Amino acid sequence: AQTVTQSQPEMSVQEAETVTLSCTYDTSESNYYLFWYKQPPSRQMILVIRQEAYKQQNATENRFSVNFQKAAKSFSLKISDSQLGDTAMYFCAFMKPQGAQKLVFGQGTRLTINP
Amino acid sequence: EPEVTQTPSHQVTQMGQEVILRCVPISNHLYFYWYRQILGQKVEFLVSFYNNEISEKSEIFDDQFSVERPDGSNFTLKIRSTKLEDSAMYFCASRYSGSPQETQYFGPGTRLLVL
Repeated sequence: AQTVTQSQPEMSVQEAETVTLSCTYDTSESNYYLFWYKQPPSRQMILVIRQEAYKQQNATENRFSVNFQKAAKSFSLKISDSQLGDTAMYFCAFMKPQGAQKLVFGQGTRLTINP
Repeated sequence: EPEVTQTPSHQVTQMGQEVILRCVPISNHLYFYWYRQILGQKVEFLVSFYNNEISEKSEIFDDQFSVERPDGSNFTLKIRSTKLEDSAMYFCASRYSGSPQETQYFGPGTRLLVL
């Protein structure tokens, strides 16, 4: 069974700073997908970024980028030029591309961006 | 932008009572999921549903749980006889197709409290 671990329950940075959220996972699969979802206060989870394991290039979406280290089973999220609207719970998730394609989540990291 | 909606946002019930949690997935989506998050714990997969049948369920999803798509728009989760440990946030999600490239879109959740 796959497991996802986020070791930082909470983080706090100043607006405009760069912040990195950590995620590690455990799997015996060779092909899989990894995700970062963001859940703002009292709002639904929305997808921030996706990485396919067979792609060596790290995914980027505007100010969001990942550092995917397949051998180390590490998948960190970097937020550059952080904004107040980035304040949210961030979940790392794993998915096998076969079957029901359910998401396996980490515990989440609560990120606060301070003005 | 289309969104997944869930009703009610909060529900309080007595132990042993039946509850039905409702979800309206995005209209052209074909794959549906329920997840739950007990306070302070990870978001956990409960069940996936496609083509009017369950495609995968977790160990949590025992005989007390059932899902249904009674019409073309709603997707429901029923708990027949609630237990204290069913208190959690329940999230519905939907996806357009079976491609792993397709994003799972989440609803805002229903917070269930069993007394």
